[in-house]
Order: sequence, then structure tokens, then C-alpha cells
Amino acid sequence: GAVVSQHPSWVICKSGTSVKIECRSLDFQATTMFWYRQFPKQSLMLMATSNEGSKATYEQGVEKDKFLINHASLTLSTLTVTSAHPEDSSFYICSALTGKTGEQYFGPGTRLTVT
Amino acid sequence: AQSVTQPDIHITVSEGASLELRCNYSYGATPYLFWYVQSPGQGLQLLLKYFSGDTLVQGIKGFEAEFKRSQSSFNLRKPSVHWSDAAEYFCAVGGGADGLTFGKGTHLIIQP
Repeated sequence: GAVVSQHPSWVICKSGTSVKIECRSLDFQATTMFWYRQFPKQSLMLMATSNEGSKATYEQGVEKDKFLINHASLTLSTLTVTSAHPEDSSFYICSALTGKTGEQYFGPGTRLTVT
Repeated sequence: AQSVTQPDIHITVSEGASLELRCNYSYGATPYLFWYVQSPGQGLQLLLKYFSGDTLVQGIKGFEAEFKRSQSSFNLRKPSVHWSDAAEYFCAVGGGADGLTFGKGTHLIIQP
């Protein structure tokens, strides 16, 4: 149980375009999901907290107009990188919070490359 | 602000030898502490967690960790490593409705 999926697993887009990444909790409902970013050989940095039915909460330094988060249902959160630039290239990982244990389950990540 | 320090960027251990990965944290209240493992191209897998209670926590794959409040530490241990343990290990603090703060990770190399 407690499986989180992400789609796509990798994506290449051109500079200036937008790309959407989906995060789904497959076998549980998650009122809270998180989005992290991981640069090569570095740690994960929390970008934002996504709550179902309300606006996301962004960490300091994260541009909310660039990284649009929508938590439309209890099993789906999306991250849209708008007007992507090469410096947005990174590994984006989501996690979903389970109510039962209070722990986060992580998706496999999405590798974004902006050319 | 909460923070996690993993002082060892790389650790090399011979197969069959014991392992200890260090983690120190800074947190304003009683922390929720986690150890995750990330293999190349894989997602994060939870090894173990500490919320409260017994300070020695058992996890999967033969790992354990000990919470020491006086030292603000949560070191990960394994008595005998296997080649398949080679991976990146992350210590994290936080949890619940808060996101996690991760350490920079320790890259574990297993020598045959």
C-alpha cells in the first residue's frame, strides 16, 4: 500500500514552454502533498506544500507564478513549470502525506530537461 | 529554522563490515526523524523513522538508528553491509503537515 506515482518520469521541453507534472496517490487519499526539487548529486529541497482545495504554500525563494501547483482532488496534485528555462532543469519529486501514519510517501520523481 | 547535517559526503565500507552514518539535526520541538535511501534512478525509500518512544529504532533491510536528544543526533547503523546497500542516504527532520528538511546526503560505497 501507500504508492505514489508521478507522470511523466522524464520530460524534455524547449525554453519558454510550460510543462505539467502529475503526482497521484494510488491507494490512499492525501489531503496534503509536497513538491521537492533535487539538483544532481544534491539533496532534496522543499518547494511547496499542496493542500486539497486550497492554495499551495511556497517556501521562501520559490516563485509561485513560475511553479504553479494545483491540488484538485484527494489523489492528484500537479506542478506546472511555466516559461521554463534551462536553469529549471532538475529532478522534481512529490510526496503524499498519509493520515494514518503521518508519514510521507514519495513518488519516483520526474526528470525535467529544458533545452 | 530546522536543519539537518550529514557530515560525511562519501563513506566507503568493505562488504560485511559494520556501518554508521551520522546525522545531526536542529529543531525547535521534539523532532520527527527519518532516514531514506535513494538508489540511482530510484525514488526515495523510507528505511526507518522516529516519532517518539524507544530511542532505538529498527528499520528495514537490517538498519537501525538511535535518537540521542542530548547530542541532537540520529545516526544510522547496520552491523554488516551488503553490496546492494550502495546508495545515497538521506536523513530528514520534520513531518506531519510540515514538509521534510533533508540533509545533503551521504554516498555509500561498498568495497568487495
